Amino acid sequence: EPEVTQTPSHQVTQMGQEVILRCVPISNHLYFYWYRQILGQKVEFLVSFYNNEISEKSEIFDDQFSVERPDGSNFTLKIRSTKLEDSAMYFCASSVERSGELFFGEGSRLTVL
Amino acid sequence: KQEVTQIPAALSVPEGENLVLNCSFTDSAIYNLQWFRQDPGKGLTSLLLIQSSQREQTSGRLNASLDKSSGRSTLYIAASQPGDSATYLCAVEYTDKLIFGTGTRLQVFP
Repeated sequence: EPEVTQTPSHQVTQMGQEVILRCVPISNHLYFYWYRQILGQKVEFLVSFYNNEISEKSEIFDDQFSVERPDGSNFTLKIRSTKLEDSAMYFCASSVERSGELFFGEGSRLTVL
Repeated sequence: KQEVTQIPAALSVPEGENLVLNCSFTDSAIYNLQWFRQDPGKGLTSLLLIQSSQREQTSGRLNASLDKSSGRSTLYIAASQPGDSATYLCAVEYTDKLIFGTGTRLQVFP
């Protein structure tokens, strides 16, 4: 069964370092998303992406964050200068259509020291 | 403000019981509502998607209902099993984003 894959599964970084989280959405999906979940808290929306541009972003998604679809398969989230409060599980998701069923990856756990 | 609330926060039941998990949302201008399952340290698995024009969806032992006007959804789990133990998340879609509830942590014991 097709699935969303994310790498790395866990990354530890020093505060101030740049981090890139990678995702391979399901191949025929057109809508892509990043969410995050701080330990013990709700899953929070970060950004949605369609047709090579951001369609919606949250207040969390400030200038330190960026997304890119560099080729036909990968979808990346970059955090330019990590902060302690960026420590969280980051989930990538995709759907075949707008307002369609969302399929999530297993997540990338980011620990900022 | 768009908020999603789930009750109860936790539930522990013996195997075989029928369960109802509740979800409420403050802004009824939704596109759809989706129920997910999350196992510890894992990703989210989609269970059921209800479009805003629908009243309910069923998949196996799961049935989800939606009352958009009152801002409520319920997830009904029939004949619960220990393998159903997980956190169940309700999420409401508004314009290209999902707003999640805090979840109901379910434990089904043999």
